[in-house]
Amino acid sequence: AQKVTQAQTEISVVEKEDVTLDCVYETRDTTYYLFWYKQPPSGELVFLIRRNSFDEQNEISGRYSWNFQKSTSSFNFTITASQVVDSAVYFCALLNTGTASKLTFGTGTRLQVTL
Amino acid sequence: ETGVTQSPTHLIKTRGQQVTLRCSSQSGHNTVSWYQQALGQGPQFIFQYYREEENGRGNFPPRFSGLQFPNYSSELNVNALELDDSALYLCASSFWRSSYNEQFFGPGTRLTVL
Repeated sequence: AQKVTQAQTEISVVEKEDVTLDCVYETRDTTYYLFWYKQPPSGELVFLIRRNSFDEQNEISGRYSWNFQKSTSSFNFTITASQVVDSAVYFCALLNTGTASKLTFGTGTRLQVTL
Repeated sequence: ETGVTQSPTHLIKTRGQQVTLRCSSQSGHNTVSWYQQALGQGPQFIFQYYREEENGRGNFPPRFSGLQFPNYSSELNVNALELDDSALYLCASSFWRSSYNEQFFGPGTRLTVL
């Protein structure tokens, strides 16, 4: 069974601080994909980053970076120099490639960035 | 490139009624997935459609059903509505078995059951 755990329910930071969102996943699949989505108050889920299970290389994309470690089943996401517009709920999700390519989401972390 | 669209944006129904939600997939995508997101929770997979057939289903009862049309748009039907069906319903489109496996979401339909 697939499971995604986001232990941080809510995080508050002051603008320009760096913030890391934690994600731990469980899967028996050897091939899988991990995602981070952002959900602003409007409700639409916005795709941010993707990583497949064969590539543990960590990258930086603009203000976003991620740390994927298979050994600890973690896929943490960092926003550098946070901005007020980053305020949203962030979801980590796991995609298996079985019969249906379904996403299993965590419960989300609400990020509040204040001035 | 047209994104995923959903209609209606909001809907209010009463217990026992039936509802139909609609989704138009992103241009070039042939797979549609539906998710239910209760307040304060992450989205839960309902089912996925590919080639006009249900291709996988989550832990939802048969009163949740769907359709996919030749133009890849899709409908989600819920019969005998219950109070717990109140949620944001999200549609996601993707290209079947693409190397990126990205699902692109629409803005959702917020359903309230009274």
